[in-house]
Amino acid sequence: EVQLVESGGGLVQPGGSLRLSCAASGFTFNPYWMTWVRQAPGKGLEWVATIKGDGSESYYADSVKGRFTISRDNAKNSVFLQMHSLRGDDTGLYYCARHAVWKFDLWGQGTPVTVSS
Amino acid sequence: QSALTQPASVSGSPGQSITISCTGTSSDIVIYNFVSWYQQHPGIAPKLIIYEVTNRPSGVSNRFSGSKSGNTASLTISGLQAEDEGDYYCSSTTSANTHVFGTGTKVTVL
Repeated sequence: EVQLVESGGGLVQPGGSLRLSCAASGFTFNPYWMTWVRQAPGKGLEWVATIKGDGSESYYADSVKGRFTISRDNAKNSVFLQMHSLRGDDTGLYYCARHAVWKFDLWGQGTPVTVSS
Repeated sequence: QSALTQPASVSGSPGQSITISCTGTSSDIVIYNFVSWYQQHPGIAPKLIIYEVTNRPSGVSNRFSGSKSGNTASLTISGLQAEDEGDYYCSSTTSANTHVFGTGTKVTVL
């Protein structure tokens, strides 16, 4: 089955760190760029970060630049989001999405992140 | 990286057609044909319904269609059905090699 499964979300204090993972299966992983998208409770979608298929380039939203790092392990068909200096406005559901020529054609179910003391 | 502008809500009766607009800038919609639309039902991940302005992925109803003029992209849903209720988001790539979503539109079937 073609799918993406996120994990690693949870409750973290402001200023803390968290590492999200996304495991891909059912398709050839390494040609695809991969993206993280988040959705704050009751709010819209926000693009967070994208990484090229070979991991050589990555792009970030201004709101996370310098705090978040996207990476991937093509041998394990996985993409990661390392998050540091977390703030309350980072709270939300984080989706991993397959990125095919600037369209997101496959989404995971999301993993929730709550930043609160 | 300002969000693309969509109306907060659009409604219509079953069988009618509705159109959702998505307004961007000269850094995104105007210069790129990488405009996509996503449908999201409550508690479920978004689903791609239109890509590259006008194209439908396999399995998506032909009641969904997209277009673009200048800085505004549009999604039209024809023959509105109860199952079309949900939130709709446009998106575009940008000149900074980043990506931006729209503010989202809630579609209500009366």
